[in-house]
Amino acid sequence: DARVTQTPRHKVTEMGQEVTMRCQPILGHNTVFWYRQTMMQGLELLAYFRNRAPLDDSGMPKDRFSAEMPDATLATLKIQPSEPRDSAVYFCASGQGVTYNEQFFGPGTRLTVL
Amino acid sequence: GENVEQHPSTLSVQEGDSAVIKCTYSDSASNYFPWYKQELGKGPQLIIDIRSNVGEKKDQRIAVTLNKTAKHFSLHITETQPEDSAVYFCAASIQTRVKTSYDKVIFGPGTSLSVIP
Repeated sequence: DARVTQTPRHKVTEMGQEVTMRCQPILGHNTVFWYRQTMMQGLELLAYFRNRAPLDDSGMPKDRFSAEMPDATLATLKIQPSEPRDSAVYFCASGQGVTYNEQFFGPGTRLTVL
Repeated sequence: GENVEQHPSTLSVQEGDSAVIKCTYSDSASNYFPWYKQELGKGPQLIIDIRSNVGEKKDQRIAVTLNKTAKHFSLHITETQPEDSAVYFCAASIQTRVKTSYDKVIFGPGTSLSVIP
């Protein structure tokens, strides 16, 4: 069955290193969301795209985070340089339609920055 | 901007009992209220949603109610089962039919539900 995939599922890295997380949205979905989940902040929207164009990235620290959609089947979230406070679970979700519909979440990438 | 609060943060119930989770929102323009369930190690999954033109919606053992005047909505789970144990998130969103509409979803902080066998 169709589902959102994310890689890697787990990532441990050292402070200062670059981290790239990848997401494959469900085929045919035109909206992609990136969320960060922590115990303290809950689910935070970092950025989202519609038809590969960024619509809102106001939740993302611009100095170190960047999000792109090189094509309709791939979304990336990059952190450079990473910091310990970036440790969290990062979720990608996709949806379809002009108006809001159900968001289908991927399994997440658990990032630990030492 | 929109702010969603959720109570309680943790909830334990005996199997077979009912569970109720309550949320409030701040933006009166919000018109779409989904509920997501997150099981351990997985991403959230939509379980039910309600739009502002209805006051209640049911799906088997799950029901949601919405009070637009008071700006609060609730999730009711009846005859709880151990597999209902998870974190539940309420959310609020403004949906329009404009192609460039800003349909950002604001999630509540979550409720960890434990169903004791």
